[in-house]
Amino acid sequence: AQSVSQHNHHVILSEAASLELGCNYSYGGTVNLFWYVQYPGQHLQLLLKYFSGDPLVKGIKGFEAEFIKSKFSFNLRKPSVQWSDTAEYFCAVNGLAGNMLTFGGGTRLMVKP
Amino acid sequence: GAGVSQSPRYKVAKRGQDVALRCDPISGHVSLFWYQQALGQGPEFLTYFQNEAQLDKSGLPSDRFFAERPEGSVSTLKIQRTQQEDSAVYLCASSRSRAGANVLTFGAGSRLTVL
Repeated sequence: AQSVSQHNHHVILSEAASLELGCNYSYGGTVNLFWYVQYPGQHLQLLLKYFSGDPLVKGIKGFEAEFIKSKFSFNLRKPSVQWSDTAEYFCAVNGLAGNMLTFGGGTRLMVKP
Repeated sequence: GAGVSQSPRYKVAKRGQDVALRCDPISGHVSLFWYQQALGQGPEFLTYFQNEAQLDKSGLPSDRFFAERPEGSVSTLKIQRTQQEDSAVYLCASSRSRAGANVLTFGAGSRLTVL
């Protein structure tokens, strides 16, 4: 079975601070990795994804994530957050042998103006 | 349509009532998923359809939960004899081809409150 762990449940930052959200997964095989974001009052949206190739992937709004296979990690980063980044962020993994996307518990980010 | 549409957006049910939640996926999308998201938690997988075939229902929490997609497009999630622990947001998602190969597009969800 696959599982996803997000270490920080709540993060509070000031604008312009740097962001790193941790994500670790457990799955023995090849995986696809995702970060989804849910802005207040909106539905889940894809932020970025990793299928193969360059382990450093860039997504929308200046976000990036690095896949480190040896650490089973896929941490999300942004060099300088904005107030509009206030949202809940979910890491997710799909093992190629299975059908379902497994989500972590989410990290609620609040950016103070 | 342009996105995944779910209805109703909000449903309040008395304990013991049956409810039906509808999902209209993006036109032509082969794969359809149902997820359950309890307050403060991440979405939990319920079931998966490829066209009209229900290929995985391992996440359905009890036999009170039933899902169908008879013509390979619209799907309905039915919960019989609702219990308070069923209170959650039920998310539907679809993707263009088979599961695992591409990105899921989510609907806004149906928030169920069982009193």
